[in-house]
Amino acid sequence: AQSVTQLGSHVSVSEGALVLLRCNYSSSVPPYLFWYVQYPNQGLQLLLKYTSAATLVKGINGFEAEFKKSETSFHLTKPSAHMSDAAEYFCAVTTRVGKLIFGQGTELSVKP
Amino acid sequence: DAGVIQSPRHEVTEMGQEVTLRCKPISGHDYLFWYRQTMMRGLELLIYFNNNVPIDDSGMPEDRFSAKMPNASFSTLKIQPSEPRDSAVYFCASSPPRGNEQFFGPGTRLTVL
Repeated sequence: AQSVTQLGSHVSVSEGALVLLRCNYSSSVPPYLFWYVQYPNQGLQLLLKYTSAATLVKGINGFEAEFKKSETSFHLTKPSAHMSDAAEYFCAVTTRVGKLIFGQGTELSVKP
Repeated sequence: DAGVIQSPRHEVTEMGQEVTLRCKPISGHDYLFWYRQTMMRGLELLIYFNNNVPIDDSGMPEDRFSAKMPNASFSTLKIQPSEPRDSAVYFCASSPPRGNEQFFGPGTRLTVL
């Protein structure tokens, strides 16, 4: 069975600072991993995905994530936070087509 | 291309009433998912379909909830009778053939008084 743990339900950074959102997964077979973003009163939007190609994955809005098998991690980063990045971020895992397992989410706040 | 379409966007009803939420997946997608999101429980998968057939309904909370997918372009989630604890945002999502990523609709915010 797969599972996802997002460390920190709330992260606050200053505008221009590094964003780091942590995600660890558990899977008995090679996983597919995803980061989604949810802005207030909207649905989830795909930021980026890892599907066993390059371990460093670049997504939209300047975000990227690195798959580290040895650490079972897939942390999301952005070098410089912008006010518009304030949202909730979800990490998700699957090992096949179909069902995704989502983490509990991390709310990102960006201070001016 | 239109994304996943959900209706209504907001629904306010009284306890005991029947509620029907509707979803139109992206054309060509063969997986359809229904989720519920609350502050307390986060994002929960209720049920999903592949080629209009229910594959896993283990997340459906109780018999008051039912879902159908009569054709590839339409699905419904019905709650009968509704209760205040059903208040949540309900999302529909779809996936393309052999694809892993899910595309989400804007959600339906349900309030049961």
